[in-house]
Amino acid sequence: GENVEQHPSTLSVQEGDSAVIKCTYSDSASNYFPWYKQELGKGPQLIIDIRSNVGEKKDQRIAVTLNKTAKHFSLHITETQPEDSAVYFCAASPGFRTGANNLFFGTGTRLTVIP
Amino acid sequence: DGGITQSPKYLFRKEGQNVTLSCEQNLNHDAMYWYRQDPGQGLRLIYYSQIVNDFQKGDIAEGYSVSREKKESFPLTVTSAQKNPTAFYLCASSIRQGNGNSPLHFGNGTRLTVT
Repeated sequence: GENVEQHPSTLSVQEGDSAVIKCTYSDSASNYFPWYKQELGKGPQLIIDIRSNVGEKKDQRIAVTLNKTAKHFSLHITETQPEDSAVYFCAASPGFRTGANNLFFGTGTRLTVIP
Repeated sequence: DGGITQSPKYLFRKEGQNVTLSCEQNLNHDAMYWYRQDPGQGLRLIYYSQIVNDFQKGDIAEGYSVSREKKESFPLTVTSAQKNPTAFYLCASSIRQGNGNSPLHFGNGTRLTVT
């Protein structure tokens, strides 16, 4: 099955700096790559996703890049703010389970933004 | 507001007892999922259901059971056969798409502690 590795496991940045989280995947058939943000005591929330037919996607301060040849994708957060502090998960999908999503998750990155 | 409700937030049980975790959604989503989250690990899929009265095993289904009698509800039973039941359990839902993944919407989880 698909194996997703995520680095770093923890990341501390000063407020206003950028943060980058990287993930690699093993299955070349993967074609959907979402990123989720999980705040303490809550469930993960989708913040951005990218499909394999594009190399980059932006949404305000958040961007995701995808390199299919190297099988890695990254989350970039610019101008970080204290409310960006959370655990971030990447995921990859090597195709569709019948009628349902088929996501494999990374192990998470705990981002701390220092005011 | 539409969303997913998991209850209770915290649950304590003695070893050897079965316990049922509740998940209700009012998003009119066809597909529902149960994930397990352990410290330092990514989310792992326990069971999923793409439609009422149908459900499929995920990657770690042993020791768990589910039912899907209503579109809105997807309860998870953690049986005494589950060897390491203490974990954070997340329920999610998504729309069904014929040939691709769609964003997952998560509840806020139930933390189960078995002693």
